[in-house]
Amino acid sequence: DQQVKQNSPSLSVQEGRISILNCDYTNSMFDYFLWYKKYPAEGPTFLISISSIKDKNEDGRFTVFLNKSAKHLSLHIVPSQPGDSAVYFCAASARVNSGGSNYKLTFGKGTLLTVNP
Amino acid sequence: NAGVTQTPKFRILKIGQSMTLQCTQDMNHNYMYWYRQDPGMGLKLIYYSVGAGITDKGEVPNGYNVSRSTTEDFPLRLELAAPSQTSVYFCASRKEGTQYFGPGTRLLVL
Repeated sequence: DQQVKQNSPSLSVQEGRISILNCDYTNSMFDYFLWYKKYPAEGPTFLISISSIKDKNEDGRFTVFLNKSAKHLSLHIVPSQPGDSAVYFCAASARVNSGGSNYKLTFGKGTLLTVNP
Repeated sequence: NAGVTQTPKFRILKIGQSMTLQCTQDMNHNYMYWYRQDPGMGLKLIYYSVGAGITDKGEVPNGYNVSRSTTEDFPLRLELAAPSQTSVYFCASRKEGTQYFGPGTRLLVL
């Protein structure tokens, strides 16, 4: 039962163009969403996040959009650069226990982005 | 600030051996986590801790044990290693809603 789905295992774009990575979720209790970037032989690196009270968050070339009614979020990278080539993981969290939170993250399987020069 | 550090980077174990994966963070975060990542899959939570002396099971805890005697350290223990435990293991600590990961330990059980 996959609660966070990244249906595209890979994506290839040209340098300078827009990269759009998609993520769908099924658990309506999720209230915080994150994107991580991972290079080979390294740990995931936090990229950008969004709370469920917002529908957009922007940080430089990276923008995350959240559509709660569709249970869908996307990461836009503009313009894409060869150094952006990596695996991108979508993750979601929900408050687990009433009266407290431990922010367990549920991860998608990742999308391999390749930006061609 | 070193962030989250993990040792060793790589290890080969024989079936039935045991080992401890070390994780240390210097950010004074209360929450810490252990994940495993199998090829082509997302990260799965093994164990987590909300503070020194407090640990709890995640999604895939069988075959593992943890302890949290200090805020900084969160070791993961494998007893009786099995081939199914071949994976890459990531430790993380949390500040507010965001988790920060170590570089990982690649474990091969033969």
